[in-house]
Amino acid sequence: EVQLVESGGGLVQPGGSLRLSCAASGFTFSSYEMNWVRQAPGKGLEWVSYISSSGGIKYYADSVRGRFTISRDDSKNSLYLQMNSLRAEDTAVYYCAREASRGSFGYWGQGILVTVSS
Amino acid sequence: SYVLTQPPSVSVAPGQAARITCGGNNIGSKTVHWYQQKPGQAPVLVVYDDSDRPSGIPERFSGSNSGNTATLTISRVEAGDEADYYCQVWDSSSYYVFGTGTKVTVL
Repeated sequence: EVQLVESGGGLVQPGGSLRLSCAASGFTFSSYEMNWVRQAPGKGLEWVSYISSSGGIKYYADSVRGRFTISRDDSKNSLYLQMNSLRAEDTAVYYCAREASRGSFGYWGQGILVTVSS
Repeated sequence: SYVLTQPPSVSVAPGQAARITCGGNNIGSKTVHWYQQKPGQAPVLVVYDDSDRPSGIPERFSGSNSGNTATLTISRVEAGDEADYYCQVWDSSSYYVFGTGTKVTVL
């Protein structure tokens, strides 16, 4: 069974940093492209970042480029999102998602809440 | 940037069909995916590659895509189908784009 479990969320002050982790199991992690998707309270889904299966290709949404960094450690079956210079508008539930057919997200974690507030 | 527009809400009586549209410039040339999200839960993929269903998704869920509009159709709607639905595409300039979301209410 595919499982994705996020951790590392919480309350952080504006300008602060946080590192999210996503532990994967039930599939060959190194073979899959992975993503982070977020959802602000009461709002829709917003794609945040992508990393290729090799880790050599990374994409970012304009709203986080230059502040967030995606990475992976295949030896630990884990995906990460380093978030720096956090803003109030980064407050959201963050999901890690495994890519499936042609750019779809076939599996999602349960999500982790990040709150940016003073 | 590429924009996908959905109606904010759709209401449907049990047993009837619900149709949720997703508008985008020449979206027919792209591959569309659809997600269902119930309150407090992660999204679930219900249709991928315009019209295919993942295993475990009822045949009542179907999709089509042509011109400037993609459509998710839920046939014989049940109370358990009440949720938010999002379309999504991959675009070469915007990468992964989600629609604005549609809340389906079962009357």
